[in-house]
Amino acid sequence: GDSVTQMEGPVTLSEEACLTINCTYTATGYPSLFWYVQYPGEGLQLLLKATKADDKGSNKGFEATYRKETTSFHLEKGSVQVSDSAVYFCALGGGGYQKVTFGTGTKLQVIP
Amino acid sequence: DAGVIQSPRHEVTEMGQEVTLRCKPISGHDYLFWYRQTMMRGLELLIYFNNNVPIDDSGMPEDRFSAKMPNASFSTLKIQPSEPRDSAVYFCASSLRGFGNTIYFGEGSWLTVV
Repeated sequence: GDSVTQMEGPVTLSEEACLTINCTYTATGYPSLFWYVQYPGEGLQLLLKATKADDKGSNKGFEATYRKETTSFHLEKGSVQVSDSAVYFCALGGGGYQKVTFGTGTKLQVIP
Repeated sequence: DAGVIQSPRHEVTEMGQEVTLRCKPISGHDYLFWYRQTMMRGLELLIYFNNNVPIDDSGMPEDRFSAKMPNASFSTLKIQPSEPRDSAVYFCASSLRGFGNTIYFGEGSWLTVV
C-alpha cells in the first residue's frame, strides 16, 4: 500500500541555518504530495503541495520538488527562524476515495 | 472564513464515562475526517465521510468508538465507555473533493481519560 517515510527528529538548528527534511514515498498511480506543519498546541496546516512530477511547491521560504524518479519530496529552507520551530509532516494523497497517508512527523527546533 | 471548529478543546474524564467530541466543518466542504494523534502511534485516520455518508471506518479502533454526521455542518465522535488508552488529541478536518486537495484541520480536542 501507499506509504511515506520521513527522517526522524528531532532536528535542532541554529537560526539562519539551512534546513532539509527528507521524505520518500511509495504509491501506486500519481499521487499529490504535501507538507503540513503543526505548531505547538495547534492542528496541522498545509505548508505547500505539488500535484505532479517536477512540480515545485513553495511557501514562506520553504520549497519541495516532486521527484518521481527518486520518489522523493524533500523539504528545504535556506535560512530558518525561531518561528519555524514546529513538527513537519510529509503526506501523499489522491483523488476520489483514496486515503491520504501521513508520515510520522519531524520535529524541528530552531535555537537563537 | 471560519475554519474547522471543534469542541471541547480540552476534556478530562474518568474511565468508563461517555465522551462526545463535536465538529463543524468548513462550509461547502464535502469531506470530513476524524484523526487521532498520539506520541506512540502518530496521526491515525479513524473515519471519513463524503456528503455526510461514512466511506471508510476501518481506522476506528473498536466498537467503543462511533461517529455520525447528521448534516453537512455537524459531526460527532463518541467514545463509550472511555478508557485511559483513549487519551489523545482528536482532530476533525474537512476538504473539498477529497484527498488530492488540501485538508483543513481544526485545533483539536485534547482528551485525557483518568
